[in-house]
Amino acid sequence: EAQVTQNPRYLITVTGKKLTVTCSQNMNHEYMSWYRQDPGLGLRQIYYSMNVEVTDKGDVPEGYKVSRKEKRNFPLILESPSPNQTSLYFCASSLSTRQASYEQYFGPGTRLTVT
Amino acid sequence: DAKTTQPPSMDCAEGRAANLPCNHSTISGNEYVYWYRQIHSQGPQYIIHGLKNNETNEMASLIITEDRKSSTLILPHATLRDTAVYYCIVRVVYSGGGADGLTFGKGTHLIIQP
Repeated sequence: EAQVTQNPRYLITVTGKKLTVTCSQNMNHEYMSWYRQDPGLGLRQIYYSMNVEVTDKGDVPEGYKVSRKEKRNFPLILESPSPNQTSLYFCASSLSTRQASYEQYFGPGTRLTVT
Repeated sequence: DAKTTQPPSMDCAEGRAANLPCNHSTISGNEYVYWYRQIHSQGPQYIIHGLKNNETNEMASLIITEDRKSSTLILPHATLRDTAVYYCIVRVVYSGGGADGLTFGKGTHLIIQP
């Protein structure tokens, strides 16, 4: 089954404790992206990757890192989480971004709470 | 990307057609209209997209007006599982780089009543 998976689905952590949220897709998609969703603010893009070893900042990249060493994986790293990073996070992928007609597939979400 | 306007909420009876409107009066010629939905805190799900012509797939139909300033998403036989927030998004046809993220507004909360 074609899908985007994220782990963990739920995480409660403390300020400053480094964490990684994994994202994997099995569709051989070139493009992957991370969003966060907060009440009243909609989904906002954090980072994206056009292909392996190619990443770039989205609209809200501060406090986050990403890497794309393999095509299928795109982990989101919070080196020193803070309470304002408490949010619902979604990973997404699409075949390519060179043509916008390709739909984006979203993962199930990771609910992160930083205390 | 052009801005979209959607009603904040709508009700529809189960088994009836749900018609969700979207206004995108500033759309340009190289922008698609996309629809996604999000069922309570799940990942958004692609529904359908179109450029000029009406489109239909197994989930829904998309009707785009001739001037492309508005569109309607039609769920032909709504079920309780169609209760979700529906997002209308316009996006350029070809992406030359940049953030390339989808811009989700507030959407329409569609509630299917039994």
